[in-house]
Amino acid sequence: EPEVTQTPSHQVTQMGQEVILRCVPISNHLYFYWYRQILGQKVEFLVSFYNNEISEKSEIFDDQFSVERPDGSNFTLKIRSTKLEDSAMYFCASSEISRDRVLAKNIQYFGAGTRLSVL
Amino acid sequence: KNQVEQSPQSLIILEGKNCTLQCNYTVSPFSNLRWYKQDTGRGPVSLTIMTFSENTKSNGRYTATLDADTKQSSLHITASQLSDSASYICVVSEGGGFKTIFGAGTRLFVKA
Repeated sequence: EPEVTQTPSHQVTQMGQEVILRCVPISNHLYFYWYRQILGQKVEFLVSFYNNEISEKSEIFDDQFSVERPDGSNFTLKIRSTKLEDSAMYFCASSEISRDRVLAKNIQYFGAGTRLSVL
Repeated sequence: KNQVEQSPQSLIILEGKNCTLQCNYTVSPFSNLRWYKQDTGRGPVSLTIMTFSENTKSNGRYTATLDADTKQSSLHITASQLSDSASYICVVSEGGGFKTIFGAGTRLFVKA
């Protein structure tokens, strides 16, 4: 069964460093998402991406964050200058969706996540 | 403010028993509501998805209901199994359907 894959599974970095989290969405999917989950807290939406541009973003997704689809398969989340509070599990997801969004078959498939630890 | 509230926070049941988890939301405009299962340290897995015109959706032993008037949903699990032990998360999408608000989840423990 196709799946969303994320690398690395665990990333340790020093405060102030840049990190890039990588995701390979399911191959025929058109929409891509990043979420984060701070330990013990709820999952939070960061950003959605379609047709090579951001379609929605949350208040969390500030100038420190950026996303990119550098080629036909990868979808990346870059955090420019990491802070201690960026420590979290970051999940990538992808979905295919029908043209009629009201009857959207918008099932999102999540990767296993990257645990980011900022020291 | 758009919010999704779930209850109970945690639940312990015996294997074979049924249970019902609740979700109340204040998200507007509403697009769809989804239930996910999340095992510890793993990504969420989709169980059901409902738009405003659907009031029930089943997936095996999982049955979700939606009352768009009262903005309430429930997830009923029938004949629970040990492998059902996980967090169950209610997620509501707003607007075009891509911006999502997650509930804090109900932590379900199924005991033998």
